[in-house]
Amino acid sequence: GIQVEQSPPDLILQEGANSTLRCNFSDSVNNLQWFHQNPWGQLINLFYIPSGTKQNGRLSATTVATERYSLLYISSSQTTDSGVYFCAVKPMDSNYQLIWGAGTKLIIKP
Amino acid sequence: NAGVTQTPKFQVLKTGQSMTLQCAQDMNHEYMSWYRQDPGMGLRLIHYSVGAGITDQGEVPNGYNVSRSTTEDFPLRLLSAAPSQTSVYFCASSRLAGGTYEQYFGPGTRLTVT
Repeated sequence: GIQVEQSPPDLILQEGANSTLRCNFSDSVNNLQWFHQNPWGQLINLFYIPSGTKQNGRLSATTVATERYSLLYISSSQTTDSGVYFCAVKPMDSNYQLIWGAGTKLIIKP
Repeated sequence: NAGVTQTPKFQVLKTGQSMTLQCAQDMNHEYMSWYRQDPGMGLRLIHYSVGAGITDQGEVPNGYNVSRSTTEDFPLRLLSAAPSQTSVYFCASSRLAGGTYEQYFGPGTRLTVT
């Protein structure tokens, strides 16, 4: 089955720093989503981005489907950005199931 | 729009007890699913449904039952709880028409089995 790898596994930054999170996947997909899981466990949709680039405030994401990777950029980090960032993909031949990476744990220090 | 709602938020069960986790969505989504999340991991699919009356198994279905009698509701039943089912459970829904498959998640139910 498809493999989804996220890097780095952990990231500790000072408030105001920028960061890039990466998601590699091993097969063709027709859905890729980025989620933020906050310290209270809530899953928040960040981007639906099977290809191309999107921006929402300080966050942006780019997926290069032909090269099987996606990047999540966070600029001017705030302490509220802390949590775990997950990439999840739906393989083209799957039964709607999202396959999840293990996540990147981000800690923003004040 | 309330989106995807789940009840209860927290539950403690004893081994062997049964219970039902409730999930409802008000977005008229065809697709609904249940995932579990164990510590330090991503989510794994338990069961899913592509419409009322249609359900199928996901990656980790053992010990769980589902039914889909209406578009809005998709309850998850634990038949005989085991400590290995201690986890956080998330319900999700998605439109299928249009081919986007973007999924929306509920707030989760934290289940502890002692």
